[in-house]
Formats: sequence, structure tokens, C-alpha cells
Amino acid sequence: GAVVSQHPSRVICKSGTSVKIECRSLDFQATTMFWYRQFPKQSLMLMATSNEGSKATYEQGVEKDKFLINHASLTLSTLTVTSAHPEDSSFYICSAREAPDRANTEAFFGQGTRLTVV
Amino acid sequence: GNSVTQMEGPVTLSEEAFLTINCTYTATGYPSLFWYVQYPGEGLQLLLKATKADDKGSNKGFEATYRKETTSFHLEKGSVQVSDSAVYFCALSPQGGTSYGKLTFGQGTILTVHP
Repeated sequence: GAVVSQHPSRVICKSGTSVKIECRSLDFQATTMFWYRQFPKQSLMLMATSNEGSKATYEQGVEKDKFLINHASLTLSTLTVTSAHPEDSSFYICSAREAPDRANTEAFFGQGTRLTVV
Repeated sequence: GNSVTQMEGPVTLSEEAFLTINCTYTATGYPSLFWYVQYPGEGLQLLLKATKADDKGSNKGFEATYRKETTSFHLEKGSVQVSDSAVYFCALSPQGGTSYGKLTFGQGTILTVHP
């Protein structure tokens, strides 16, 4: 299957700093990528839909100024957690859907990024 | 809106036991249904999927059948192994269109298999 690479896999940062997480589709082009957040022992919650060349669509309750998403190319989307705080510590996972969009094409997941804010 | 409900865990089984993890959904139209598995410290891996009613998804001995009449997609395996210990997520996605791939997840079920 298609490969989605997420980097870094783990990051520890100081409170107040910003952290950038990259999501790359390695062997296919993705017009749409999705960013999820997973709290310990809980399910994944969709944060935003990232569309190549346009603004991301954020889910209700997600602060767009805190979680900046950029999808500058068909193979890369980035999530920047700005002014991170300990409550932002979580597991962030991206997924990418192949382009052009076809019915029944699945979304492929990255391996996730464990963010710890100290 | 769309929602997915999984049986609560954790589920603890002995090796070679039969596994069932229940999953029911609420959705408009005809969604695609998925089971994902997450091993400790890792991301999600697609285990199996089904895209229309009565389809059966299968992989690595796991099976699930898309039941539209009961809006269910229960995961089964006839004989579990210790290596199956993981968290299992049921999920749905709208069929086609711009929202395809936008997944709604169940709460996850932790499975632990003992030797």
C-alpha cells in the first residue's frame, strides 16, 4: 500500500515554543490530508482537513491560530503547534488520501508524532 | 452526524480463543467501514475494510461483514494470538466525494491476549 511518513516520531519541547510536524506522502500525490489528535487511552479526534493550495478546514473547537496547517504541495502537509503548553501534549496522526479523488480510495496513515510539552 | 460505537474494553483472552468486537454506526447514506489496529507506540494500520452492504472484509484471520440492516461491522477472529494484542478501532468514512477519507472513529477496544 501507499506510504505516509510523519516526522518527527517524538518531540519534547518547552512550554511557549512552537513545534512543526510534517506529513509526507512518499509514493503518491495527496490533495487532501487529515490531522487527528489522540489523547491517552482515547480515540482519535479529527482536528482539521488540509487541502493542497487552499486553507485548511478546522473542526469545531479546534483553534486554527494555535494549530497552523499548511499544505503547500501534493506530497506535504505540516502542522505547527504554536506557543505550546503542557495540555497540547498528545499523539498527533496524519492521514493522506490519494489524488485524484476516486470513490473507495482509502486514506493512509502516518506513524504518528508523540508531542510532550514540558 | 456520523458516529461509531464500539464495545467497551478492555478485552482479555487466552491464546486461540474466539474474538468478537462489536461495532455499530450511525451515518447518512452508505459509508465505507473500516477496522484499524494500533500497536503500542505506533500509528494506525488498516486491518480490513468494506465498502458496500454484505461485503466481507478479511485480513490476517480477522473478518467483518458490512450489515446495513443492523448498521453493524463486528470484528471476529477464530483463534487469537498473543501478537494480536493491540487497540482496535472501528471507523467509517463517507463514500466518495470530498469527504472521503475523513474518518469518524469509535472509542477503541484494547485487546490483550495471554499465552
